[in-house]
Amino acid sequence: QSVLTQPPSVSGAPGQRVTISCTGSSSNIGAGYDVHWYQHLPGTAPKLLIYDNINRPSGVPDRFSGSKSGTSASLAITGLQAEDEADYYCQSYDNSLSWGVFGGGTKLTVL
Amino acid sequence: QLQLQESGPGLVKPSETLSLTCTVSGGSISSGNYYWGWIRQPPGKGLEWIGSIYYSGSTYYNPSLKSRVTISVDTSKNQFSLKLTSVTAADTAVFYCARVSGIWTGFFDYWGQGTLVTVSS
Repeated sequence: QSVLTQPPSVSGAPGQRVTISCTGSSSNIGAGYDVHWYQHLPGTAPKLLIYDNINRPSGVPDRFSGSKSGTSASLAITGLQAEDEADYYCQSYDNSLSWGVFGGGTKLTVL
Repeated sequence: QLQLQESGPGLVKPSETLSLTCTVSGGSISSGNYYWGWIRQPPGKGLEWIGSIYYSGSTYYNPSLKSRVTISVDTSKNQFSLKLTSVTAADTAVFYCARVSGIWTGFFDYWGQGTLVTVSS
């Protein structure tokens, strides 16, 4: 059970917009620690999508965006494509655990 | 383009020590701007950060695994390694090595493909 809570699954049709939430607490996201997001297709290396809450690495389409407010963060994907079907993980730091943590992951299904 | 590649036995017996090496190519592990880390993913479960190391040898370990984990670096070979002692079936996982950007608690911007390690007799 991670201290960062993500919905187990989300889905959307091609072209739609979906959001994936990452809910934490005052010891992690709420304490001001940055949130990062990864896309993971089984059998491949996870890919960094968003770092430091809102920044996209070079090469990541602007269809992916991140936001953070209070004790939560969100990843939004617009113009959903079949290739976006993957697992998505948030990551932050928790000062009560004194360690970096990942969310439990969210499986995105493109209908 | 930076590349990381994990290597090591795919099968380890219970109570023994799991040993993996990550070879970095396309960049120097001694660049000084990054840390290097190990992450694992048990089958059907999420990601768990095991620990990180700086090229100087400074290490940071997950408190839940600290008593069993050792991460070391060999700058001459551009490699860093993981040792996990007294393994059980619960340690069966895909192990990834990755570069940590920012601070030691930063984000992982380059990852290896991962290697499955099964703990079984």
